[in-house]
Amino acid sequence: NAGVTQTPKFQVLKTGQSMTLQCAQDMNHEYMSWYRQDPGMGLRLIHYSVGAGITDQGEVPNGYNVSRSTTEDFPLRLLSAAPSQTSVYFCASRRLLSYEQYFGPGTRLTVT
Amino acid sequence: DQQVKQNSPSLSVQEGRISILNCDYTNSMFDYFLWYKKYPAEGPTFLISISSIKDKNEDGRFTVFLNKSAKHLSLHIVPSQPGDSAVYFCAATEKETSGSRLTFGEGTQLTVNP
Repeated sequence: NAGVTQTPKFQVLKTGQSMTLQCAQDMNHEYMSWYRQDPGMGLRLIHYSVGAGITDQGEVPNGYNVSRSTTEDFPLRLLSAAPSQTSVYFCASRRLLSYEQYFGPGTRLTVT
Repeated sequence: DQQVKQNSPSLSVQEGRISILNCDYTNSMFDYFLWYKKYPAEGPTFLISISSIKDKNEDGRFTVFLNKSAKHLSLHIVPSQPGDSAVYFCAATEKETSGSRLTFGEGTQLTVNP
């Protein structure tokens, strides 16, 4: 079991560029989510999904898109990167009826 | 509006002593609470949880206490070990709501000194 995997580990973007952060899990979890971690602000929910074909917004969704075409994958798209999106991004998954989330190792994104 | 707050950004304790990490919440609808531990350059990992129907849950050296009337929970680590040095996040959720989103606090950096 690889658990939750994220790629890339590090990324530098210029303002206005777009990119996709990849997330995959092999635990057959229904629930997947994306968080960003910023100093002094904890983990804030960007988007989440309760199953394939279903996504919803979290606390800070602006500037990000997601899709869930399979149970395993939950990519996060930055449409037009801004310096305010410089952060560490974590993907997580869990069973729908459990609240213990499994997190990936994170992607550190810098937007210049 | 920060619904889950960890007012201490950092805590330093001696090895073998007790570590007490605190967390306050404002949303009275929260009915399930969790603690996560995070090492540098890794994702958070689940540590312990408690339902609002309980006031204490224990797992080895880790105990979580919940005071619903005060909207306060705490994590006790006894005895503390240097390997416990990490950032600790508390989180809360409403179990029966759609999506059951977790709301996290800001985190507390625990340093256990040998």
